[in-house]
Amino acid sequence: GNSVTQMEGPVTLSEEAFLTINCTYTATGYPSLFWYVQYPGEGLQLLLKATKADDKGSNKGFEATYRKETTSFHLEKGSVQVSDSAVYFCAPISSGSARQLTFGSGTQLTVLP
Amino acid sequence: GAGVSQSPRYKVAKRGQDVALRCDPISGHVSLFWYQQALGQGPEFLTYFQNEAQLDKSGLPSDRFFAERPEGSVSTLKIQRTQQEDSAVYLCASGQRQETQYFGPGTRLLVL
Repeated sequence: GNSVTQMEGPVTLSEEAFLTINCTYTATGYPSLFWYVQYPGEGLQLLLKATKADDKGSNKGFEATYRKETTSFHLEKGSVQVSDSAVYFCAPISSGSARQLTFGSGTQLTVLP
Repeated sequence: GAGVSQSPRYKVAKRGQDVALRCDPISGHVSLFWYQQALGQGPEFLTYFQNEAQLDKSGLPSDRFFAERPEGSVSTLKIQRTQQEDSAVYLCASGQRQETQYFGPGTRLLVL
């Protein structure tokens, strides 16, 4: 089955700093890749996705590029805000019939003013 | 429009009790998933429905866990004879056929 390795947290940054959260995966075939974000006390929200190699997903200033050769989908943002403080999850989707997501352990991001 | 809703949001159960967790997916969504999220961990897949058919239940941890979606809309996850290790947040997600899953707020279950 699929597996995900995410950059371990917690990550603490100052406002306007550059963010990178690393994600590598193992999967059968070429799965679609997702980043989800979980704000305190809330459910998971889709942040961005990419469905094929070299695709770049982007949303709210966040970007991630599907790198087939390195099986990576690193999340970046040029200038973080306090409101970006949350837990970030990288997840490929399975190639089986269920198409379930396989989540990493998540990366806690705290942005300080 | 309305998102995925789950109820109750919080549930405290005594060990050995049965619990039922409800999920109302986004109207018209064919796919419905249940995940279990332990504290400090990522969600783990439990089971998947396509309409009313349960196509994959490989993630259910034991035969105490049972899920249904009889009319292809609302789903219920039932846990019989709850144990302390069942304490977790249970997340429901729904989607169309094109893969993106939309999550509800979750039900936080605490078994004492």
